[in-house]
Order: sequence, then C-alpha cells, then structure tokens
Amino acid sequence: ETGVTQTPRHLVMGMTNKKSLKCEQHLGHNAMYWYKQSAKKPLELMFVYNFKEQTENNSVPSRFSPECPNSSHLFLHLHTLQPEDSALYLCASSQDVWDSPLHFGNGTRLTVT
Amino acid sequence: AQTVTQSQPEMSVQEAETVTLSCTYDTSESDYYLFWYKQPPSRQMILVIRQEAYKQQNATENRFSVNFQKAAKSFSLKISDSQLGDAAMYFCAYRTVNYGGSQGNLIFGKGTKLSVKP
Repeated sequence: ETGVTQTPRHLVMGMTNKKSLKCEQHLGHNAMYWYKQSAKKPLELMFVYNFKEQTENNSVPSRFSPECPNSSHLFLHLHTLQPEDSALYLCASSQDVWDSPLHFGNGTRLTVT
Repeated sequence: AQTVTQSQPEMSVQEAETVTLSCTYDTSESDYYLFWYKQPPSRQMILVIRQEAYKQQNATENRFSVNFQKAAKSFSLKISDSQLGDAAMYFCAYRTVNYGGSQGNLIFGKGTKLSVKP
C-alpha cells in the first residue's frame, strides 16, 4: 500500500479514444501533482493542484485535461493523443506545495497506438 | 535555466560493497534543494535523501549519504553495504527555493540504473 493509488496500471488506447487516468491518495494531503516520465527523458511536471485548485500548468497540450474534484482525487482526461504521448504517468501528493515530501504512486503505463 | 546531469547511465555493485552515483547540476542560484529519488521496478518514486544548499553538512540516511560540493555543483550519492533491494533507477533532482512556484517543480536528471550482484 503506497498511500497513493493509480489506476489503471496499464492502458493502451488509439489516437481517437477518450480515456481517463485516476489517482487517489489516502494520506490527507492537500496538494496533488501529475508527472510524465518518457523513455530517455527526465521526469516532467505537468500539473499542480493545491486544495483542489490548479496552481500550475507546465505548458501541457490541451489534449490532456486534469480534474481535481477534491483533495483526495485527481484525474487526467485524455483525448486525441499522439504516439509521442506514450509514457509513464505518475501522480504524487504532498501535505503542502512548499516543503513537505512528495509521495508518488506506481504510475500508469500509457501506450498510444 | 537549471540543469541536472547524471553521467552514468548504468552502474553495478557487488552485494555488501559501496557504490557512488554521480550528479552535477548547473544553477546561478545560491539557495536550493537537492534530492536523490529511487525508482524500483514497482515504478514508485521514493525519496532517498534531501540536501539543503545552505547547509554545509552532508545529509545521511542510514546506508545512504551524499557528498555535496557546492562550489563544484556536485551532489553524489554513496550507498554503503549495498543490498539486493537497492537495485533500481536513481534520479538526482534539483528544486529552487522560489516561493513563486510549487515544490513539485523539480528538475530531474535522466537517471542511473543500479544493479546489485549477489
């Protein structure tokens, strides 16, 4: 039990599909994050939510649409993705956005065909 | 812009031996944080150790310690008494002390894959 649960673990989707990634944290944290980990590239921050409000968007294309209905849940809605969007998507949470440690989930391995 | 470089794509160590993973970074800032994260096959990123740039003392966590050389912009990780469970990808990361942005804005290196031989 990692404290941060991501589903599904693996996802294969076509470029015209619409799918969603889910992240849930059981740690009582107030901040949640989406990261993208591509092969042979450093981990990249995508979005930050603090108390359900989006506070950062790192120039992510609009085909990625985050949603944070409450501090415990974070979604990443996907539509009309490209093959280069294939990657490991990691969710993380922390008590606050300033100085508390990040806790990561096990990620969703996304393949776009 | 800040950058983080890990020059060793792969490293190998014998069980119970010591290994050092290298990390260099580039920044014009004087205050910042440095981290080492571990990513085992489970894919979960786990914080191993953290160093605050204004602290001269090197951080340690049990078998893990760092050699922080601020002038040289070097931040190496030493793993003592290596165990099979230490096998993983290790990522060095940098974070600015800039309260205009969140702490999630870490700059990661490309990682070093560590193998531990029994």
